[in-house]
Amino acid sequence: DTGVSQNPRHKITKRGQNVTFRCDPISEHNRLYWYRQTLGQGPEFLTYFQNEAQLEKSRLLSDRFSAERPKGSFSTLEIQRTEQGDSAMYLCASSRDTVNTEAFFGQGTRLTVV
Amino acid sequence: GESVGLHLPTLSVQEGDNSIINCAYSNSASDYFIWYKQESGKGPQFIIDIRSNMDKRQGQRVTVLLNKTVKHLSLQIAATQPGDSAVYFCAGGRRSGGTSYGKLTFGQGTILTVHP
Repeated sequence: DTGVSQNPRHKITKRGQNVTFRCDPISEHNRLYWYRQTLGQGPEFLTYFQNEAQLEKSRLLSDRFSAERPKGSFSTLEIQRTEQGDSAMYLCASSRDTVNTEAFFGQGTRLTVV
Repeated sequence: GESVGLHLPTLSVQEGDNSIINCAYSNSASDYFIWYKQESGKGPQFIIDIRSNMDKRQGQRVTVLLNKTVKHLSLQIAATQPGDSAVYFCAGGRRSGGTSYGKLTFGQGTILTVHP
């Protein structure tokens, strides 16, 4: 499977714990995006990388959230001191750096904070 | 700010009928729009896109129409099949503007149910 891969698919954690998600984009894609999706809503932009550079962060990305893409390939999204409001689907997408707008999404990581 | 929204949250059709899903946007800064299909437990899947300098674009069984005058976008699905049942999102983005490229603003979504 050469699509965008996200791990884990599901994560249940206790409030206050830290969690880390991983995204492996399509190999030749140099752009990588993180989105958050709550039930019944469309995805909301969190942050965007071009290669290893984090070029844009949403105001939704509080100080408890940090994303990295150290080698310009896979990316991690860490949430510290999780809160119940962090419960959501976290989606990763990747695309080429061309005029083609098509971004490919992974299947997401479903986070439940109890 | 930039926002993209939908008129109807649900749409039920019979297999073989044509479906039309509508979307309204408020920010003219979006210079392209995309329709995504999302099935339960999966990430959004690209269907078709349209640039803001176009009025219509056709794909396989799908057509997207853009009316910039009233800031309205629609997705038409011909001969709808049960496999088309999913949530459909429209999203807007800016092709130019440096770091804004690729950042999409999604609408709420329309649930399409196709009855056999």
